[in-house]
Amino acid sequence: EAQVTQNPRYLITVTGKKLTVTCSQNMNHEYMSWYRQDPGLGLRQIYYSMNVEVTDKGDVPEGYKVSRKEKRNFPLILESPSPNQTSLYFCASSPGLAGVYEQFFGPGTRLTVL
Amino acid sequence: AQSVTQLDSHVSVSEGTPVLLRCNYSSSYSPSLFWYVQHPNKGLQLLLKYTSAATLVKGINGFEAEFKKSETSFHLTKPSAHMSDAAEYFCVVSDPGTGRRALTFGSGTRLQVQP
Repeated sequence: EAQVTQNPRYLITVTGKKLTVTCSQNMNHEYMSWYRQDPGLGLRQIYYSMNVEVTDKGDVPEGYKVSRKEKRNFPLILESPSPNQTSLYFCASSPGLAGVYEQFFGPGTRLTVL
Repeated sequence: AQSVTQLDSHVSVSEGTPVLLRCNYSSSYSPSLFWYVQHPNKGLQLLLKYTSAATLVKGINGFEAEFKKSETSFHLTKPSAHMSDAAEYFCVVSDPGTGRRALTFGSGTRLQVQP
């Protein structure tokens, strides 16, 4: 089944404890992206990647890191999480440019930072 | 810069009545426009997209949207609401001319369908 998977789905952590949220797609998509969803704000892009080893900042990149060493994986890293990073996170992928192709979204990761 | 305004944060309709979810956009170039739906505790699913072909776009589950450049609008409609349509809907704009290849999401409209 073609899909985007994220792990973990739920995570509660404490301030300053490094964490990684994994994202994997099995559709051979070039474009991958991370978003955070907060009430009343819709989804805001954190980082995106056009291909392996090519990443760029989105609208809200502060406090996050990403890497794209393999085409199928695009992990999101929080080196020192803070409470304002409590949010619902979505990974997405598409065959090409996000503005042209449909993006396929993962099920989301709900992160709470205490 | 591109932006999206969803004019209603909540819309409530009765089952079997029409649905109208309003969206206005701002873009420097010829944008691509999308509507995505998010059911409770689920990821987002594409309903329909406009990419400068026909201005009336038909999507899944009976939804359609009309691109009106003069009004900078892309409202989502459905002739008859079903209980399963209850969800949050996002209007999304992409402005390839900016070179950022990013999507800008509206703040969302929560649709309630009353029996």
